[in-house]
Amino acid sequence: DSGVTQTPKHLITATGQRVTLRCSPRSGDLSVYWYQQSLDQGLQFLIQYYNGEERAKGNILERFSAQQFPDLHSELNLSSLELGDSALYFCASSSGTGELFFGEGSRLTVL
Amino acid sequence: DAKTTQPTSMDCAEGRAANLPCNHSTISGNEYVYWYRQIHSQGPQYIIHGLKNNETNEMASLIITEDRKSSTLILPHATLRDTAVYYCIVRVWAAGNKLTFGGGTRVLVKP
Repeated sequence: DSGVTQTPKHLITATGQRVTLRCSPRSGDLSVYWYQQSLDQGLQFLIQYYNGEERAKGNILERFSAQQFPDLHSELNLSSLELGDSALYFCASSSGTGELFFGEGSRLTVL
Repeated sequence: DAKTTQPTSMDCAEGRAANLPCNHSTISGNEYVYWYRQIHSQGPQYIIHGLKNNETNEMASLIITEDRKSSTLILPHATLRDTAVYYCIVRVWAAGNKLTFGGGTRVLVKP
């Protein structure tokens, strides 16, 4: 158990819909990272937040957005969903030691 | 972050040591070598990291060559549960730095 909690574990929705994925980092970790892993692709970095502020941005689509709240939990919002958005979405958090600790992921299926 | 090169896949016999190579010839002086693994569809798991000295923990050993251009992750007694994709990542150590994942090495431990 990494200490990072992601909900929901599984989500099935239709094209055009909007979903929100939630991540609770390990206690005390200020950084939260979001990654996407599609079936035929590796782990793609989406975005990072540090203590509520956006810190780094990767290959995140404009239809996707994220935020980190004062209690340090984070949400990834995916809108106007397309079939190609079906993937595993991982959240990770890190502390001052530099290692990232990943949650078990949210599996999104867009039909 | 420096680029790494790993074999696409390798097999290992259960109970034997698994030696996973990684080339990182463009590594900079302030970049660490990190190893993570991902067991099928689970969140990536931190294994070990090092700068220039060899490192060992309860999971594995990391051997870094003197010129730091390559390294080897050693799983001393591979078990079936070690079957996973192993990622070698080079990055500057900092609490807020993201990880950039490559293709990794798909390790299959056979009985």
